[in-house]
Amino acid sequence: QVQLQESGPGLVKPSETLSLTCTVSGDSISGSISDYYWSWIRQTPGRGLEWIGYVYYIGSTNYNPSLKGRVTISVDRSNNQFSLQLSSVTAADTAVYYCARQKKDSGGWFWPFDIWGQGTMLTVSS
Amino acid sequence: DIQLTQSPSTLSASIGDRVTITCRASQIISPWLAWYQQKPGKAPKLLIYKASSLESGVPSRFSGSGSGTEFTLTISSLQPDDFATYYCQHYNSYPWMFGQGTKVEIK
Repeated sequence: QVQLQESGPGLVKPSETLSLTCTVSGDSISGSISDYYWSWIRQTPGRGLEWIGYVYYIGSTNYNPSLKGRVTISVDRSNNQFSLQLSSVTAADTAVYYCARQKKDSGGWFWPFDIWGQGTMLTVSS
Repeated sequence: DIQLTQSPSTLSASIGDRVTITCRASQIISPWLAWYQQKPGKAPKLLIYKASSLESGVPSRFSGSGSGTEFTLTISSLQPDDFATYYCQHYNSYPWMFGQGTKVEIK
């Protein structure tokens, strides 16, 4: 059974870079039968759920334009992990951050997020 | 960006009630619409995908319908475990967006 687990510092100072890691267990991040994409999603009381972006196991990415320029998502196949870096953080980046998996089928269509990590709270404060 | 608007924002209901939540999209997204259930302190759980397909393991009292820009999630007979917040999400085009949520409370 595939499981995702986020890890991170919990607290980041304003203007610094946030770094979070998601560890995938129960399957290879490179995928088995189906193609999987690995996303970061965050949630705040004010803005709700916001998709940040995804990475594919070969390193290709797609980001939400609302965060473009500040976000980098990368994959570490040897450790079965993928990571989020968000630069120049402000209090508005305080959120619960989730990692999640989604499938892309043979027709090229994405499916919704079927497996999520438990989430990690990230606070931006001096 | 395609915006999703859910209604109502909050819904008070009793055990056994039939509950319907609506999600309206700012553009046609059919059929790329999913529904999630979220309980406090937990990650969202996928209930419905492709507007009306039930995710494996989800009770059959949950159903989804709709097309084009208007979609509904129905719980045929509300159970104690169903009190939660429900979100719709489109995956039609980037960026994927979520609705603002509908909280189902005990009446």
